[in-house]
Amino acid sequence: GNSVTQMEGPVTLSEEAFLTINCTYTATGYPSLFWYVQYPGEGLQLLLKATKADDKGSNKGFEATYRKETTSFHLEKGSVQVSDSAVYFCASPSGNTPLVFGKGTRLSVIA
Amino acid sequence: DGGITQSPKYLFRKEGQNVTLSCEQNLNHDAMYWYRQDPGQGLRLIYYSQIVNDFQKGDIAEGYSVSREKKESFPLTVTSAQKNPTAFYLCASSFGRADTQYFGPGTRLTVL
Repeated sequence: GNSVTQMEGPVTLSEEAFLTINCTYTATGYPSLFWYVQYPGEGLQLLLKATKADDKGSNKGFEATYRKETTSFHLEKGSVQVSDSAVYFCASPSGNTPLVFGKGTRLSVIA
Repeated sequence: DGGITQSPKYLFRKEGQNVTLSCEQNLNHDAMYWYRQDPGQGLRLIYYSQIVNDFQKGDIAEGYSVSREKKESFPLTVTSAQKNPTAFYLCASSFGRADTQYFGPGTRLTVL
């Protein structure tokens, strides 16, 4: 089945820095791809998604492009803010499992 | 307001006791899910249900049980057979199995 691997954190950036969090998947087909964000003490919120190759998901200044050739869905933001500090999860369906998640990447943004 | 509610936010139980975690949604979603989150391990699927009176085991179902008697409700029971129950439990729902999942705020269970 499909599995999802994302870069391990923690990632610490200064405000207004550029963010990249890598995510790759192993499926041979065209699974949907998701990024979720979890703020401290809360559940997960959908950040963005893409359902087919070359799709670009975007929300709140974050973007990710579905790249079939590299089986990747890297999350990017051009200028992070302190309020972006959270844990970010990449996810995708896998066989009988509706969604499998990466282990999460903790982002800390300092002023 | 539509959404998913989980109660309570924090739950403490003694070892050997069963405990039931509540999950309710008013989004008219058919599918509901239970995940367990441990530090550094991401989310792992415990059980999911695609329709009332039907549910399937996820990757770590041992020591847990669920029921789905109503579309809006999907309670999770952590039994005494679960060897390491202390964790953060998240409930989610979606229109269908392939659709976007929406999450509740979670319940942190501590077994003393």
